[in-house]
Amino acid sequence: GEDVEQSLFLSVREGDSSVINCTYTDSSSTYLYWYKQEPGAGLQLLTYIFSNMDMKQDQRLTVLLNKKDKHLSLRIADTQTGDSAIYFCAESQSNTGKLIFGQGTTLQVKP
Amino acid sequence: DTAVSQTPKYLVTQMGNDKSIKCEQNLGHDTMYWYKQDSKKFLKIMFSYNNKELIINETVPNRFSPKSPDKAHLNLHINSLELGDSAVYFCASSQLPYEQYFGPGTRLTVT
Repeated sequence: GEDVEQSLFLSVREGDSSVINCTYTDSSSTYLYWYKQEPGAGLQLLTYIFSNMDMKQDQRLTVLLNKKDKHLSLRIADTQTGDSAIYFCAESQSNTGKLIFGQGTTLQVKP
Repeated sequence: DTAVSQTPKYLVTQMGNDKSIKCEQNLGHDTMYWYKQDSKKFLKIMFSYNNKELIINETVPNRFSPKSPDKAHLNLHINSLELGDSAVYFCASSQLPYEQYFGPGTRLTVT
């Protein structure tokens, strides 16, 4: 079946690292994605990882993929107040591109 | 230049009315999608078109009808609107099997 799970809420202090976790069920997913949604806004693609990779780093963002445990994480270094948003993990079906989203994790950054 | 655009941004209408939401992408992608985000922020795919052909049709009431006049456009028509249709509707596009880019969303409120 298709299911993606995330914790609903994370609160950190400005300057700390944030780690948002996600588990998925479809082992045939080719790509896994992280999207960011600010209040009242659309979905911004943050980063993605191909299923044959373990890690991807992009400036302050680090994505880790544990394919055996079907676990994906997003680490944001030096978290800023502008990082406050909802973060969605998603897996995709390669033949149709269909995205299965998690429930979203609300990240609250305290000054 | 907006990559994926939707109109209108806000739509307030009464139960029983028929309404349309339009989507256009200028990325040259071959696949377009409609997603629905409910009041709990949960995102679920509704439809997808690849080169004007319907490839995903999730369990959606047949009051919802997508139409793709060409690769760059995917419109969503909703008949006999119900209170439960109130949500944010997002259009997205991709070049399969790669990442999807989302529009800004259309907030539909049915009264």
